[in-house]
Amino acid sequence: AQSVTQLGSHVSVSEGALVLLRCNYSSSVPPYLFWYVQYPNQGLQLLLKYTSAATLVKGINGFEAEFKKSETSFHLTKPSAHMSDAAEYFCAVSGRSFNKFYFGSGTKLNVKP
Amino acid sequence: GAGVSQSPRYKVAKRGQDVALRCDPISGHVSLFWYQQALGQGPEFLTYFQNEAQLDKSGLPSDRFFAERPEGSVSTLKIQRTQQEDSAVYLCASKLSRDFLYEQYFGPGTRLTVT
Repeated sequence: AQSVTQLGSHVSVSEGALVLLRCNYSSSVPPYLFWYVQYPNQGLQLLLKYTSAATLVKGINGFEAEFKKSETSFHLTKPSAHMSDAAEYFCAVSGRSFNKFYFGSGTKLNVKP
Repeated sequence: GAGVSQSPRYKVAKRGQDVALRCDPISGHVSLFWYQQALGQGPEFLTYFQNEAQLDKSGLPSDRFFAERPEGSVSTLKIQRTQQEDSAVYLCASKLSRDFLYEQYFGPGTRLTVT
């Protein structure tokens, strides 16, 4: 069985501040992990993915995430927030088939000027 | 190039009505997925097609939900006798291949409101 928990349904940061969005997973098999971003009235867009290669994964728009097996975590970070980062972010886990994703409940990121 | 498109974008149905939601995947994408996203929640898997074959329908919540992809391209999600708990955004995604190297591309969704 696989599941994802995202801590904090809303996160607010100032422009230029560090962004940290938390994701913990549960998986009975080696997981593949993903972060997606969703802007209002748009579909989900892939930010980055972990597929058992490097544990530090770099994605688009300056985001990165680190897979920590000991902590069962895959937190998303960005050194300096930009106003355009305001959106909802979803963490997802998949098994080896890649044909069924389990999403977390999402974290809405607010960026204050 | 065109992305995944879904129609209608918004649908209001009275309880008990049948609805049909359409998904046009990216041309050439063989894998197609349907998800249900309730308000304030993440997407939940409904069903998966590889070409015209429905390989996994374990997420369909009841036998009122039915999905098809007869020619391996356009897909339709049908909900019969809609109920208020069916109100959600229905997302469609497509992928070039089932291989993990390929990304799922999501459509903008259809927001279904059952009154």
